[in-house]
Amino acid sequence: GAGVSQSPSNKVTEKGKDVELRCDPISGHTALYWYRQSLGQGLEFLIYFQGNSAPDKSGLPSDRFSAERTGGSVSTLTIQRTQQEDSAVYLCASSLFTGGAYEQYFGPGTRLTVT
Amino acid sequence: KNQVEQSPQSLIILEGKNCTLQCNYTVSPFSNLRWYKQDTGRGPVSLTIMTFSENTKSNGRYTATLDADTKQSSLHITASQLSDSASYICVVTGESWGKLQFGAGTQVVVTP
Repeated sequence: GAGVSQSPSNKVTEKGKDVELRCDPISGHTALYWYRQSLGQGLEFLIYFQGNSAPDKSGLPSDRFSAERTGGSVSTLTIQRTQQEDSAVYLCASSLFTGGAYEQYFGPGTRLTVT
Repeated sequence: KNQVEQSPQSLIILEGKNCTLQCNYTVSPFSNLRWYKQDTGRGPVSLTIMTFSENTKSNGRYTATLDADTKQSSLHITASQLSDSASYICVVTGESWGKLQFGAGTQVVVTP
């Protein structure tokens, strides 16, 4: 079946512009995660959605970052007034449930470059 | 300070040889430990996942070990192939809902 998809695969934007990154999770997966991977660094947790519960936003680095998940499926990560330090690969993952050993399936990522 | 430390940062091995990657963690309480393989330009793909009660898990030529007492894990790659060239990431779950703590990864290059 289809895996997690993300779009666009690459995004180049000018400093100060807003960007939207999209994630389509695996159908039926109730949990959705956003991560950021900077060059040479480990993945950094950003935000997590589980069903209809309030999202865990504890990993968002600033109030310029926000995310939505509509209808319990597609999610959009928005970065306002982008800065050069926002340049990274943004990865989305989904899982059937949260907790325990439930597998997280990752999308291919969106590479964001802020010039 | 990162709660998941991996070593070495990178290594180069000849095709057909074996290698072992290390992961030390301080995450507590501990739920499970995973090893992921990430090819360049791709998202991570799970290789193994172990709970605290398991001390070894295999997936083909990949074998992971876990010592929950010393908070150490290793990933052993047997008879390496060119396709094993990738970043190998150790990931520890400390909280019940699945929040993951990622190591920085070990970059493995397999040469002919």
